[in-house]
Amino acid sequence: SQQGEEDPQALSIQEGENATMNCSYKTSINNLQWYRQNSGRGLVHLILIRSNEREKHSGRLRVTLDTSKKSSSLLITASRAADTASYFCAAETSGSRLTFGEGTQLTVNP
Amino acid sequence: GAVVSQHPSWVICKSGTSVKIECRSLDFQATTMFWYRQFPKQSLMLMATSNEGSKATYEQGVEKDKFLINHASLTLSTLTVTSAHPEDSSFYICSAPQGAPQETQYFGPGTRLLVL
Repeated sequence: SQQGEEDPQALSIQEGENATMNCSYKTSINNLQWYRQNSGRGLVHLILIRSNEREKHSGRLRVTLDTSKKSSSLLITASRAADTASYFCAAETSGSRLTFGEGTQLTVNP
Repeated sequence: GAVVSQHPSWVICKSGTSVKIECRSLDFQATTMFWYRQFPKQSLMLMATSNEGSKATYEQGVEKDKFLINHASLTLSTLTVTSAHPEDSSFYICSAPQGAPQETQYFGPGTRLLVL
């Protein structure tokens, strides 16, 4: 299958809590990217972590990458209702091709 | 940031007709663009890589005669769904990378296709 795996498939939390999503991929990568998609809309790029990096922060986002395990995690701290969306990881391989994970549907309850 | 547009945003057509979807990079040039398909509640699946000045590269299982791709200029790629059938109903999204050395990809807003 072209797709990587993400877990959980769905996550429901209360506003203010942290949300953690995990992603696994299958091949060697140039970088690992995380995207957000609101229902029926296009994708918004959140953060990119290169294959030689282990951790990266951007605002309330923290991404880790473990190339030995071919896995990555996205942590959203102090979540807000507006963070409700689907989150996808995407592994970039040669030629800028992206292979997307199955996605996590995050619901943040006010 | 960079902007990628798609047109139309949604289209309804009868089975057997062909539908053309445009993807434009509005403020940068893109020698490569990517086309994805997304079924409801599923992830994005890469269909093909559109290359300016050369033939598109299709992913395994994607019919090149069914999904015609033309990268007419450095800012425009088109995807034509030929002889569309209900199973082709989906959300089609394009992306274009910009920047170096590791490029950020900018995604269009998507085109929702419904084939009756």
